[in-house]
Amino acid sequence: DAGITQSPRHKVTETGTPVTLRCHQTENHRYMYWYRQDPGHGLRLIHYSYGVKDTDKGEVSDGYSVSRSKTEDFLLTLESATSSQTSVYFCAISDSTGGGYTFGSGTRLTVV
Amino acid sequence: QKEVEQNSGPLSVPEGAIASLNCTYSDRVSQSFFWYRQYSGKSPELIMSIYSNGDKEDGRFTAQLNKASQYVSLLIRDSQPSDSATYLCAVKLGANNLFFGTGTRLTVIP
Repeated sequence: DAGITQSPRHKVTETGTPVTLRCHQTENHRYMYWYRQDPGHGLRLIHYSYGVKDTDKGEVSDGYSVSRSKTEDFLLTLESATSSQTSVYFCAISDSTGGGYTFGSGTRLTVV
Repeated sequence: QKEVEQNSGPLSVPEGAIASLNCTYSDRVSQSFFWYRQYSGKSPELIMSIYSNGDKEDGRFTAQLNKASQYVSLLIRDSQPSDSATYLCAVKLGANNLFFGTGTRLTVIP
């Protein structure tokens, strides 16, 4: 989607290394989210942000941290990557609490 | 019990038929409901939102909501091969938590 970009698109990393995924939006939306998608589990919320420096945990937050120092950027960090964190990670944005989300193109992360 | 449940399928329908996708949810206070379409290897795309009981139509798509039965469905009329995708039901629980079902894979056979 033109208004939301994720980087990198693909990454292979080794167990135990830190990894940071970036989500950048040009829509000036207040709310940003990180999800992971795994077969059999669907999309699960990791962390979300409701403004600069305002973040909260989602359903599967263990092993992940986030930061939002600017409206347009939301970073997801895997502090010490494990094989169970191999997944496709999606960032999403929303301009209100009631509406649906717009998703980025995703980052496919493989931890070996 | 999962917050949002969908039949995993796969669901196959012939071209031109009606495809019916179903979803149930566990939280009675949910107020916002969404259907997303996801093509293989792509990101989810919002196709329908519904907030009140009844039907909502948008082109070939109709979303149906029954809060008393905690049930939301998506009908696709005149199904096309391009509709072949995985359809995700999503339910907003609280202000900032959108829960997704695991999706139903739809194949439209030419």
